[in-house]
Amino acid sequence: EAGVTQFPSHSVIEKGQTVTLRCDPISGHDNLYWYRRVMGKEIKFLLHFVKESKQDESGMPNNRFLAERTGGTYSTLKVQPAELEDSGVYFCASSQESSGGNEQFFGPGTRLTVL
Amino acid sequence: GDSVTQMEGPVTLSEEAFLTINCTYTATGYPSLFWYVQYPGEGLQLLLKATKADDKGSNKGFEATYRKETTSFHLEKGSVQVSDSAVYFCARNFYNQGGKLIFGQGTELSVKP
Repeated sequence: EAGVTQFPSHSVIEKGQTVTLRCDPISGHDNLYWYRRVMGKEIKFLLHFVKESKQDESGMPNNRFLAERTGGTYSTLKVQPAELEDSGVYFCASSQESSGGNEQFFGPGTRLTVL
Repeated sequence: GDSVTQMEGPVTLSEEAFLTINCTYTATGYPSLFWYVQYPGEGLQLLLKATKADDKGSNKGFEATYRKETTSFHLEKGSVQVSDSAVYFCARNFYNQGGKLIFGQGTELSVKP
């Protein structure tokens, strides 16, 4: 069974440019999460999809970030325009259930560098 | 607000040494607790978990006990190996908020031969 995959693995862009990150969850997982780790600090929650619906987007930093999950399969996270403070590692995770001790399976992350 | 606090790193140990990484959490709700590990060049992997008070999670020689009275979930291993070198993250979830995870800042462990 394939795990969670993310593309690209690294992205280097200039301030003001646009970047789109992609996440393919494990097949059959309705729950998809985005997280971000900035500058070696804690990993912070960004948002949660259940199928194609945004269940919780309380962690999205501002309106420069747009996440979509059309058709309830893969998800994209677009940053437009990118700022220096957006640099970090963006993780995607998926799970079958969202309650209890259900495990979230993480992708390898996308390292974003904004110059 | 809700948070998870874990001991700062980096932690450097010799092979076969005893490991403890402290983790405490805010006690709102009835969280499940997790330890995730990130090996160099890889993504996060679940190491172990505990879903209620007094549960002990264990895997690969690592253990952690859910202590409600001290709001702690310390990670321990009796004898570390070089292959245990990684970054370890403690986390709690919010079962009534879609299961999102709150992480600690991560503790980098380096084990020397």
